[in-house]
Amino acid sequence: DTAVSQTPKYLVTQMGNDKSIKCEQNLGHDTMYWYKQDSKKFLKIMFSYNNKELIINETVPNRFSPKSPDKAHLNLHINSLELGDSAVYFCASSQTRGAGELFFGEGSRLTVL
Amino acid sequence: KNQVEQSPQSLIILEGKNCTLQCNYTVSPFSNLRWYKQDTGRGPVSLTIMTFSENTKSNGRYTATLDADTKQSSLHITASQLSDSASYICVVVLSGTYKYIFGTGTRLKVLA
Repeated sequence: DTAVSQTPKYLVTQMGNDKSIKCEQNLGHDTMYWYKQDSKKFLKIMFSYNNKELIINETVPNRFSPKSPDKAHLNLHINSLELGDSAVYFCASSQTRGAGELFFGEGSRLTVL
Repeated sequence: KNQVEQSPQSLIILEGKNCTLQCNYTVSPFSNLRWYKQDTGRGPVSLTIMTFSENTKSNGRYTATLDADTKQSSLHITASQLSDSASYICVVVLSGTYKYIFGTGTRLKVLA
């Protein structure tokens, strides 16, 4: 069973459209994250939720809205897509108690044309 | 400013050779330091985690060291294999927070 799964793996869309990426973890973790990896392969935190509550919100445009219906899911909705949004988006989860190991999904490659 | 810098940016070695990747950080307060391996098209996978009191930790052919005084870490790969070709990312965790500070990574290519 995949620990952290995200869908879709690839997404190609036009500028101005709205799209969503879904993430689910079956590890029983209480914290989930969204990271953006740009063309230079640098991973940058976007959001983090702990037990469905937003705890980290970096300087991300308001067009990005995370939603956590429960602690096993963290979805990312993006409105009015722009060319600069093209990147690979990684979902991750961790358990804040103990070592807090970070487990990543396989990534969702978003291409905005 | 909390930063993690890695060197070299990229590295090419022949199969069977050893190599060492470097990580310098200015993160404070420090909780722990991790090394991740990211294969092309995949998500990062953890190799090692070291806390303040740990100097070295091994995971198979991977050995990580940590000098908390100089705020430096290294990842040594022994007897490299083609499958070691990947990006290696150093991550430092801020104590008391959920913040993981990522380095820019070192891209390693192992040639036959």
